[in-house]
Order: sequence, then structure tokens, then C-alpha cells
Amino acid sequence: QSALTQPPSASGSPGQSVTISCTGTSSDVGGYNYVSWYQQHPGKAPKLMIYEVTKRPSGVPDRFSGSKSGNTASLTVSGLQAEDEADYYCSSYAGSKTWVFGGGTKLTVL
Amino acid sequence: EVQLVESGGGLVQPGGSLRLSCAASGFTFSSHGMHWVRQAPGKGLEYVSGINRDGVSTFYASSVKGRFTISRDNSKNTVYLQMGSLIPEDTAVYYCARDADWACDYWGQGTLVTVSS
Repeated sequence: QSALTQPPSASGSPGQSVTISCTGTSSDVGGYNYVSWYQQHPGKAPKLMIYEVTKRPSGVPDRFSGSKSGNTASLTVSGLQAEDEADYYCSSYAGSKTWVFGGGTKLTVL
Repeated sequence: EVQLVESGGGLVQPGGSLRLSCAASGFTFSSHGMHWVRQAPGKGLEYVSGINRDGVSTFYASSVKGRFTISRDNSKNTVYLQMGSLIPEDTAVYYCARDADWACDYWGQGTLVTVSS
């Protein structure tokens, strides 16, 4: 199970939008609508931000949105705020009852 | 309030064994699958293992298959990860997480496992 590919870093100024990509294959991202995104602040446990490609858990601001095209999923954070600075990980079901994570993207709010 | 509390981490020598526990509260434990995800120091998240609601179905990452065993006791609201033949590459913070339709909607605070001589 190879890890999904994410850019190591992304950045934006407060109020701007930033999009983080997550590229897999037809065996994971492209084959299932079970892509999720997690936010992790330093020293903290991950927090679910998006599930099933586009759905937001209750309590997650609507500034966070997800999408998918082919083998690539994306997380867009609109109206960037200082507290959005964190590591973001994508994950996908990969068949055979297992999952794969991306390598993570460090989002910096300038 | 959903709570997941891991325990059992520590320092173990290569080739040794360790059993992690994750005590759940605040929800109907037997209605949810559970997962273990780990994070090596300074690295990203890695899926380790999962178990369905009644414990009949289990799944493992290839990196741990044959060495780790996941189980659960619904009467104790606890999921376990029995780890054996440990290698230094297993050093990580181990998180347990609740399954919500192929996503992890609640996570514990993690327990650190260090494999070193």
C-alpha cells in the first residue's frame, strides 16, 4: 500500500483560499468515494475535517471543503485564519479492508 | 462526550511484545468499528489495523500483518492491539480511533511505543 501523494507544504495569507491536493491511484482515491481529511496541530491528535470526499462533520466550519477528480482529491480552505495553521493529511479506502494515508501537508498562514 | 483513552505504551526491546488498550466511553461501543493508526516521531500518519463492530472482521497494514493482532471486548468497551516481534520501525505514537463510514471521527490522545535496546 503506497502512501498518497501530498505537497509537503502550502501557504496563504489570512482571508485567502488555499487548496491541498492528494493524488492516489484507481485502486484507492479514484476507486472509492471514501476520501477523508484530517487536521493535526502540533502535539495533538488528528481531527476529522472531511469524510466521504465532500462531507463535513458537525462543528467543522464551512470554510473547509473537499472534492475529487479522477485519482486526485483536494481540500480547500477558504477565508484562511491563523488557527488553520496545522498539518493536513488525506486518507482513502484502498480495498481489501485497508486504508492509506497521504504524507501530510504543512499549511502555513502567512 | 466521546472519549478514547489509550494505555500500555512504553519502552520495549527489539523482538519484544506489548499490548495496547483503548478504553472507550460516551457512545455505544458495540455499534462502531475501531482502528489503530500510528505516527512515527516527526512523520506522517500510518494506518495499522481495524476491527468491525462485533470483532469478526479484522484488517491489517502489510507492515504489521502477522506480527500484530487487534481484538475487542464489547463488555469492557475496550479495543486492544497485541504487538509482537517488534522492530525499531514500530516506534511511534499509537492512536485508537472510532470508525464512521470509513473515516475516523474521534481519536484518542495516543500512547508512545519505543522499540530500542
